[in-house]
Amino acid sequence: DAKTTQPNSMESNEEEPVHLPCNHSTISGTDYIHWYRQLPSQGPEYVIHGLTSNVNNRMASLAIAEDRKSSTLILHRATLRDAAVYYCILRDLDFGNEKLTFGTGTRLTIIP
Amino acid sequence: KAGVTQTPRYLIKTRGQQVTLSCSPISGHRSVSWYQQTPGQGLQFLFEYFSETQRNKGNFPGRFSGRQFSNSRSEMNVSTLELGDSALYLCASSPGQSPYNEQFFGPGTRLTVL
Repeated sequence: DAKTTQPNSMESNEEEPVHLPCNHSTISGTDYIHWYRQLPSQGPEYVIHGLTSNVNNRMASLAIAEDRKSSTLILHRATLRDAAVYYCILRDLDFGNEKLTFGTGTRLTIIP
Repeated sequence: KAGVTQTPRYLIKTRGQQVTLSCSPISGHRSVSWYQQTPGQGLQFLFEYFSETQRNKGNFPGRFSGRQFSNSRSEMNVSTLELGDSALYLCASSPGQSPYNEQFFGPGTRLTVL
């Protein structure tokens, strides 16, 4: 599995934007970039995914570098509820491959 | 739509015993995956079932096994429990028809082995 590298932890002030980086220099052409987050005492939840183009949804935006070797998850206005561990995951474009390979993730702390 | 449910939520066992954990996926989802989460190893993939067939398997010993029923409900079994098996066991479901699908996780079963 292609690996991802994320900072162990980050802090951000409430109501400010947060940019969570992820490096995936060994990404292959068929890998999708997925982000999940895990709130305290809960299972992980899906945030967003993309292949080449930037993506937006109601939770966040995903900015993907032109060479696809890195990406950034953007939370436009952080709230206390966004405090979680964020995981950047590469998923191969293989039918039947539901496996998610989690790294260590980034623990995001929101300062009120 | 009801989410993924896991039972029991908490379990205490002793070394050498065996345990069975249950997962009910979201209605209509045919793929169920299991993960183990520990402070030391993080989240690790155990196995995935689709339409009663195991499609993927992680790097765990044979003491860890699972199955899926015709209604997509899944169970995982751990035999001859070891202290190191203490962990949060998470189940995730997805429609399973596309590699772009998001996975929906349950709240987990916290297993403590004494």
